[in-house]
Amino acid sequence: ETGVTQTPRHLVMGMTNKKSLKCEQHLGHNAMYWYKQSAKKPLELMFVYSLEERVENNSVPSRFSPECPNSSHLFLHLHTLQPEDSALYLCASSQEYRGQGADTQYFGPGTRLTVL
Amino acid sequence: GQNIDQPTEMTATEGAIVQINCTYQTSGFNGLFWYQQHAGEAPTFLSYNVLDGLEEKGRFSSFLSRSKGYSYLLLKELQMKDSASYLCAAMDSNYQLIWGAGTKLIIKP
Repeated sequence: ETGVTQTPRHLVMGMTNKKSLKCEQHLGHNAMYWYKQSAKKPLELMFVYSLEERVENNSVPSRFSPECPNSSHLFLHLHTLQPEDSALYLCASSQEYRGQGADTQYFGPGTRLTVL
Repeated sequence: GQNIDQPTEMTATEGAIVQINCTYQTSGFNGLFWYQQHAGEAPTFLSYNVLDGLEEKGRFSSFLSRSKGYSYLLLKELQMKDSASYLCAAMDSNYQLIWGAGTKLIIKP
């Protein structure tokens, strides 16, 4: 069971483009996450929102801008990206933020981003 | 520093058993997670261990030794559909997840 959807699934953009990634969770969770997944590297946590408030921002470049309009939706706005930003961007949600045991994260299928 | 180690790739035969190891070093410990990720798909939750010992869920079992900073995922009666990456993640004292790079498991007929 995932209950987390992401669109688009694939995105190719130039370095001067502006695009947005969308995530929606249907699980009634209170926390949502953005991760970057590069080949053969651990998942990198980018942002965390708890009850629509940003609670984590792990030194992510300003060319990535998150938005959480409500507890079910999360966006990642992209602008002036670099080729090294090409990766799989995963969205996840959990019942609570930093709740032991209850903090199991459920992932969406990701957006495969290619920056030319 | 905080670190997770797991093998990059493993190969096993259909019908056999495979054990994927994970060692962790974290500031405090609040449990260990295993996820399965098929190529191009979402990571899916497999197990969570916080106490020492073995927990079994059908063909999959997960073991934890807190004193050794060690966990393994045991897959029995391997099927071709088990070909995937397996991600190990430990939760530290701040309830942050520290992720391994994943183990790619290749199942051969």
